[in-house]
Amino acid sequence: GQNIDQPTEMTATEGAIVQINCTYQTSGFNGLFWYQQHAGEAPTFLSYNVLDGLEEKGRFSSFLSRSKGYSYLLLKELQMKDSASYLCAVKGSQGNLIFGKGTKLSVKP
Amino acid sequence: GAVVSQHPSWVICKSGTSVKIECRSLDFQATTMFWYRQFPKQSLMLMATSNEGSKATYEQGVEKDKFLINHASLTLSTLTVTSAHPEDSSFYICSASEPAEAFFGQGTRLTVV
Repeated sequence: GQNIDQPTEMTATEGAIVQINCTYQTSGFNGLFWYQQHAGEAPTFLSYNVLDGLEEKGRFSSFLSRSKGYSYLLLKELQMKDSASYLCAVKGSQGNLIFGKGTKLSVKP
Repeated sequence: GAVVSQHPSWVICKSGTSVKIECRSLDFQATTMFWYRQFPKQSLMLMATSNEGSKATYEQGVEKDKFLINHASLTLSTLTVTSAHPEDSSFYICSASEPAEAFFGQGTRLTVV
């Protein structure tokens, strides 16, 4: 079956660093995506990993280990506007995305 | 980057009526588009895969006669919710993929009263 797990909620302080973990078990794998989603809006693309290792893009970094079925999204220098849901998604063999339930991040002053 | 445009952004309809949602790829041709549904505080769930020129593929538990999908051209896919009921109220969103990214429409908030 398809299973993607990530924490339901996390809280962090403005200016801090937070790591959101994602583990997956899927029948096909063509890459792992991280999206940011504000309530009532479409997801916004953050990162894509298809090979093992760390991808860095500004304040956001994403890591993938295919052998462990594990990824994390690292957010540095947190800002209040980073409060949102963060979705981990695996691209299946048909090209569709299989989403985790999302992690709601609350950034406090 | 590529753009996917979805209309309408929100719609309120009466129970028993039908609603059509359009999804257009504006600057690329999408042979495949995906339709997702998201209930409040839940994740996006794939409903169906829309294939240009052929029948859509529906996920288990999604009624193909209720959620009609048409993908008549490489730039347009439509989802029609037929005989809508209050339990169909949800956020519907379409997507088209390239190898390293998936592009989403703006989403449609459907409320059935």
